Amino acid sequence: KNEVEQSPQNLTAQEGEFITINCSYSVGISALHWLQQHPGGGIVSLFMLSSGKKKHGRLIATINIQEKHSSLHITASHPRDSAVYICAVPSEGTSGSRLTFGEGTQLTVNP
Amino acid sequence: DTGVSQDPRHKITKRGQNVTFRCDPISEHNRLYWYRQTLGQGPEFLTYFQNEAQLEKSRLLSDRFSAERPKGSFSTLEIQRTEQGDSAMYLCASSSTTGGRGYTFGSGTRLTVV
Repeated sequence: KNEVEQSPQNLTAQEGEFITINCSYSVGISALHWLQQHPGGGIVSLFMLSSGKKKHGRLIATINIQEKHSSLHITASHPRDSAVYICAVPSEGTSGSRLTFGEGTQLTVNP
Repeated sequence: DTGVSQDPRHKITKRGQNVTFRCDPISEHNRLYWYRQTLGQGPEFLTYFQNEAQLEKSRLLSDRFSAERPKGSFSTLEIQRTEQGDSAMYLCASSSTTGGRGYTFGSGTRLTVV
């Protein structure tokens, strides 16, 4: 089973700061997911990436397959970015299989 | 197609009652997953279907839990004789083995057992 660790567990930032959330996993994978969960429960998929870097607006995700490590960056953070960010990897090493999730990083951005 | 739909959004039930949740996946997705999430934790896998076949069940899925996907489209998750420990968010997700829109989650059903 793939083990997923995220850090930090909690992160508080001031508006405008650059945010980094880290994710490490134990077993080689074909792709990694970054997810966002707001209070109320719904999960939104932010990125699925298998190599290099992806960017969407102020969000950037990077992955190093050899080091089994990924980072999620938020530039110019805003209070509306406050949410739980979850890293997830396929349990079977394929992109369509069930996911194993990290425990999440609670981000709070203060105005 | 607006994504993965779950119904109801919230359910409060008395201990010992049966509850049933529904998930409508993205229409072109052939895989459907159920996860459970308790407060402060990441989601945990319960079961998944490929088309109408239930391919895997977690040990978390006790015999009080049953899931179906009768025609390979929507799925139901039933919990019989609910216990307070069943209180959680139940999340459904769907994906395709042939690529496409990727892994998509529903908004979840929050169950509270009183």
